[in-house]
This record gives sequence, C-alpha cells and structure tokens, in this order.
Amino acid sequence: DQQVKQNSPSLSVQEGRISILNCDYTNSMFDYFLWYKKYPAEGPTFLISISSIKDKNEDGRFTVFLNKSAKHLSLHIVPSQPGDSAVYFCAARSGGSNYKLTFGKGTLLTVNP
Amino acid sequence: DGGITQSPKYLFRKEGQNVTLSCEQNLNHDAMYWYRQDPGQGLRLIYYSQIVNDFQKGDIAEGYSVSREKKESFPLTVTSAQKNPTAFYLCASRHQGAYGYTFGSGTRLTVV
Repeated sequence: DQQVKQNSPSLSVQEGRISILNCDYTNSMFDYFLWYKKYPAEGPTFLISISSIKDKNEDGRFTVFLNKSAKHLSLHIVPSQPGDSAVYFCAARSGGSNYKLTFGKGTLLTVNP
Repeated sequence: DGGITQSPKYLFRKEGQNVTLSCEQNLNHDAMYWYRQDPGQGLRLIYYSQIVNDFQKGDIAEGYSVSREKKESFPLTVTSAQKNPTAFYLCASRHQGAYGYTFGSGTRLTVV
C-alpha cells in the first residue's frame, strides 16, 4: 500500500522554465512533508518542507504548495537550471512517538540547456 | 566536519554470505535509519532506532538485522535470508525535535 505517490517517473523541462513536481498521499495522519533531491550514487539532500497547517512555503527558487483537502503537494522550481537535474523524492511524516518518513518513488527531473 | 559516514561505497559479496554495512555519525543525533533504494521503488525503510539499545522493524525488515550499541553507530547486516540483497543502501540520522533526516552517501551492495 503506497501511502506517498509520485505518479510521474520523469519530467523534462527547458532551462529557465518552471518545473512542477507532484506528490499525492493517502494517510490523513501525515502532518509534515519534505522534498529531497538526489544525485546518482549519493545520499538525498533536504530541499524544502511544509507543515500541514500551512499551504505554501517558499525558499528562493523553490516553492512547495500543499492542498490538504486533495491530499496533494507540489514542488515548483523557478527558474529551472541544469544543475537541478536530479531525482526528487517527496516524503511525509506521520505524527507520534515513532518518527519515520515515508518516501515516494521519486521523479527524475531533467533540465535541458 | 559533522556528518554521517557509510562505508564502503561499493561492496561485493557471494550469494549465501552475510555482510555488514557500516554507518557512523558524529552529529550527536538520537535517531538513525536504514533505507534501501531499488530502481523504480523509491526509498523503503528497513530498520530504525530512536535511542541506543532500541530499534524497530521498518517495512522490509525480513532478511536484515541491526544493532545500536552506541549512539554514533547503527550497522546493518544483510543476511543470507534476504532474497534480493543487491541494492543501494542509505543510512540516515535525525536530531530529536528535527523533522528531516541527514543522509549518508550510501553503499552499493552487489551480491553475485
């Protein structure tokens, strides 16, 4: 049962344009969401996060939007740069004492020069 | 520099052999995690530990074992019972009260 879904395995955009990566979740107990970026043969690095009590969080070129009623979040990258080419993972935290993150399968973003 | 170290980066083993993957952190983080990455599968949780001498099974614990004798160390043993051990293994840690993980650079295990 996949609780965090990234339905697009890949996305290709032109440099300077907007990249929009999507993530859906099914567990209503998730209260915090994170995006990680991963290059091949490296560990993921934290990118941006959002609490379930907010609907938007912005950090430079990166903005995450959360639609709780639709159980959907999206990551916007504007403008996209070739160095943004990587796999992006959406992750969600369920509240409680046993803290752990559930990850989606990832979306490979390719930004073409 | 504080960080989380996984060694070795590449590991080859023969089928039927147990192998232990190392994970060490000097971030003074309380919690540590092991994930496995397979193509098209994302990151799946194997085991995690919130405090020393305590750990819990994740979603795919069968064929794996862990120990947490020290706060800094969380080794993962891939046993011969793990049916598909070839994968990219990621260790992570988290400071109590923090939301995100810090990941190591991973170990690519190939069983032949």
